[in-house]
Amino acid sequence: QKEVEQNSGPLSVPEGAIASLNCTYSDRGSQSFFWYRQYSGKSPELIMSIYSNGDKEDGRFTAQLNKASQYVSLLIRDSQPSDSATYLCAVPVLNSGYSTLTFGKGTMLLVSP
Amino acid sequence: EAQVTQNPRYLITVTGKKLTVTCSQNMNHEYMSWYRQDPGLGLRQIYYSMNVEVTDKGDVPEGYKVSRKEKRNFPLILESPSPNQTSLYFCASSLSPGAEQYFGPGTRLTVT
Repeated sequence: QKEVEQNSGPLSVPEGAIASLNCTYSDRGSQSFFWYRQYSGKSPELIMSIYSNGDKEDGRFTAQLNKASQYVSLLIRDSQPSDSATYLCAVPVLNSGYSTLTFGKGTMLLVSP
Repeated sequence: EAQVTQNPRYLITVTGKKLTVTCSQNMNHEYMSWYRQDPGLGLRQIYYSMNVEVTDKGDVPEGYKVSRKEKRNFPLILESPSPNQTSLYFCASSLSPGAEQYFGPGTRLTVT
């Protein structure tokens, strides 16, 4: 099992819709979870972090965490064409005695006008 | 402004010509890392450093060297570049290995 898994996409949604991006992880001991946004050819940018079960909202973005199911998601409400990017999930994974931030391969989101 | 800088941003070189990509951070972070990113393969870690003079191999270290003589700098060295090292490279830093990482702007390297 891969340590951090995401569907590669692309996930296509129309402008104004809700985009739902999902991520599963293997390390039950992980305590922090991050979402990055990466535009084509640019560097990943941290957009959300979540540390406890439940929802965390920041503007149009909501991160949802379910540690029992080892599942974290990112919802983007009122999706805009400018949200078209690849979204990377990152989770610390225990390896050789300490946790290292491990990235999924990312889900490409396409928002059509 | 807190940031990670990389230079150069773009580089075209020929096989076998040694090159160095610099990386510097001003956040006093202990942990620094180099990644390469290729289409469909995601971010792959090349080398990382837990602190000054402490470096270790990541998932794809072959053909690369690093050094960490100062806390803020973590250069990536390609002593004999080959075409399969054509890629987009990112430097990142964080307070600890498991904490959120902050990325530099990237270096697009082409080896002909």
